[in-house]
Amino acid sequence: EVQLLESGGGMIHPGGSLRLSCEASGFMFSYYAMNWVRQAPGKGLEWVASIKNSGDKTYYTESVQGRFTISRDNSRRTVYLQMDSLRADDTAVYYCARDGGSGYYAYFLDYWGQGSPVTVSS
Amino acid sequence: EVVLTQSPATLSLSPGETATLSCRATESVTKFLAWYQHKPGQPPRLLIYDASKRATGIPQRFSGSGSGTDFTLTIYNLEPADFAVYYCQLRNTWPPYTFGQGTRVEIK
Repeated sequence: EVQLLESGGGMIHPGGSLRLSCEASGFMFSYYAMNWVRQAPGKGLEWVASIKNSGDKTYYTESVQGRFTISRDNSRRTVYLQMDSLRADDTAVYYCARDGGSGYYAYFLDYWGQGSPVTVSS
Repeated sequence: EVVLTQSPATLSLSPGETATLSCRATESVTKFLAWYQHKPGQPPRLLIYDASKRATGIPQRFSGSGSGTDFTLTIYNLEPADFAVYYCQLRNTWPPYTFGQGTRVEIK
């Protein structure tokens, strides 16, 4: 059974940093691109960042470019999102999600974690 | 940048009825469109990918159709568990995953 378990969310002041983790099980982690998607309160879904299965390519939505860093450790079956210079508009539930393609990008997200809430407030 | 517009914003229906949800793209996205169901307190659930292929474990009551710029998610014989928010999502040049704003299916 595919499972994605996020951790690391919480409340932080503006300008602070948090690191989210997503531990995967039930599939060949190193074959799949991984993503972070967020949902701000009362809003829809927004893709945040993606990392290729090998870890050598990363992609970010414009609003987090230069502030967030996605990375992965295939030996630990874990993907991370380092969030720096956090702002109030980064407040959201952050989901870890697997791209549906094995060894390539399929550009749909077939498994999602339960979500990790992040609140940025003074 | 391709933009997705979902309609209607809210659909009020009774159990047993059929829901028809629309997703329109500003440019052709061929068949690279997915649909998700999202309930409060739960992660989104993939329903349909490549416009018409049902994801693993998704009942036949959920049907996706369309190509180019116009796509439809049809939910036949609505069950109480189907009342949720539905998002379409396309494979885009950039950003790679673009979501529509969602359609809420509520109990009438």
